[in-house]
Amino acid sequence: GDSVTQMEGPVTLSEEAFLTINCTYTATGYPSLFWYVQYPGEGLQLLLKATKADDKGSNKGFEATYRKETTSFHLEKGSVQVSDSAVYFCALKNTNAGKSTFGDGTTLTVKP
Amino acid sequence: GAVVSQHPSWVICKSGTSVKIECRSLDFQATTMFWYRQFPKQSLMLMATSNEGSKATYEQGVEKDKFLINHASLTLSTLTVTSAHPEDSSFYICSAVATAGGFTDTQYFGPGTRLTVL
Repeated sequence: GDSVTQMEGPVTLSEEAFLTINCTYTATGYPSLFWYVQYPGEGLQLLLKATKADDKGSNKGFEATYRKETTSFHLEKGSVQVSDSAVYFCALKNTNAGKSTFGDGTTLTVKP
Repeated sequence: GAVVSQHPSWVICKSGTSVKIECRSLDFQATTMFWYRQFPKQSLMLMATSNEGSKATYEQGVEKDKFLINHASLTLSTLTVTSAHPEDSSFYICSAVATAGGFTDTQYFGPGTRLTVL
């Protein structure tokens, strides 16, 4: 079956540091890939997505590239802020309206 | 666009009572909604897939008689926790998939409902 493996956390960085959260997946076919962010006490928000190989999703300074050859979708940001502190989930979806498969989440804490 | 709301945002109830949680897609129609449960510092656990006008599909290990799901319209799904017990205390999150408008492969999540059973 489909699976998503995320870099284990927690991750603690200083403000303006470079962020990478690794995500690899196992899936049949050509899934869409997503990164979601969850702020404390809230639901998940879509951060970015990519629907085919070599696509780059980007939003709010975050970006991730769909790498089919390495089955990866690593999340990066060049300069993190305290407000980026949250839990980040990598996910894949294989069919329209079908259920998604989530990674275990990576907690990011950014210190001033 | 693509906003999903949940009501209530938090609820405290006594053991043995039932609690209903609503999930609404506010600006789009959703033939499919999902219900998740999230424990502290853990990932989302899919409980069931709710399809408008038909019975929900429950994941293995989820008691369908305890977690009643109704998806009566294209914009509303409800989760009722029947005879709640302290071990049902959790954060319940719904999500919806749009049926049209270019959103068809994205899940939109509600803000979650914190249930505490005393």
